Amino acid sequence: EPEVTQTPSHQVTQMGQEVILRCVPISNHLYFYWYRQILGQKVEFLVSFYNNEISEKSEIFDDQFSVERPDGSNFTLKIRSTKLEDSAMYFCASSPGQGLTYEQYFGPGTRLTVT
Amino acid sequence: GQQVMQIPQYQHVQEGEDFTTYCNSSTTLSNIQWYKQRPGGHPVFLIQLVKSGEVKKQKRLTFQFGEAKKNSSLHITATQTTDVGTYFCAQPRANNLFFGTGTRLTVIP
Repeated sequence: EPEVTQTPSHQVTQMGQEVILRCVPISNHLYFYWYRQILGQKVEFLVSFYNNEISEKSEIFDDQFSVERPDGSNFTLKIRSTKLEDSAMYFCASSPGQGLTYEQYFGPGTRLTVT
Repeated sequence: GQQVMQIPQYQHVQEGEDFTTYCNSSTTLSNIQWYKQRPGGHPVFLIQLVKSGEVKKQKRLTFQFGEAKKNSSLHITATQTTDVGTYFCAQPRANNLFFGTGTRLTVIP
């Protein structure tokens, strides 16, 4: 069964450093998402992406964040200057269609630790 | 702002007991999805409810959507240790999923 993959599984970085989290969505999916989950808390939406542009972003997704689909398979989340409060699990997700009637398929996540 | 609350936040049950989590929204929902997240894992889609009063079953799991489409519930009959995890309801929107606060289920063997 096709699945979303993410690399790395765990990233440790120092405050102020840039990180890039990578995702390979399911191949025939058109809609891509990033979510984050601070330990023990709920899953929070960051950004959605379709047709090579951002569809929607939350207030968490400020100027320090960016997303890119550099080729036909990868979908990346970049955090330019990490803060301690960016420490969280970051999940990539994809879906074959938009929003209301489609389930989202989540990757295994990248645990980001900012020290 | 938008709130999707779940109760209880935590639930510990003996294996074989039943479990129910409730999801309540401050606004009317067009539809609702349920996801399960195992400890250390990622959210996995369980089901989607669309119609007012809809009830769907998956083996020991029963999902219900309220008549007013402002609440939903997930009931597990005779829990097993494989049921452990956090259960989230989520409101699908045009471009994202808005997750509820989740209910963490622990099953004691």
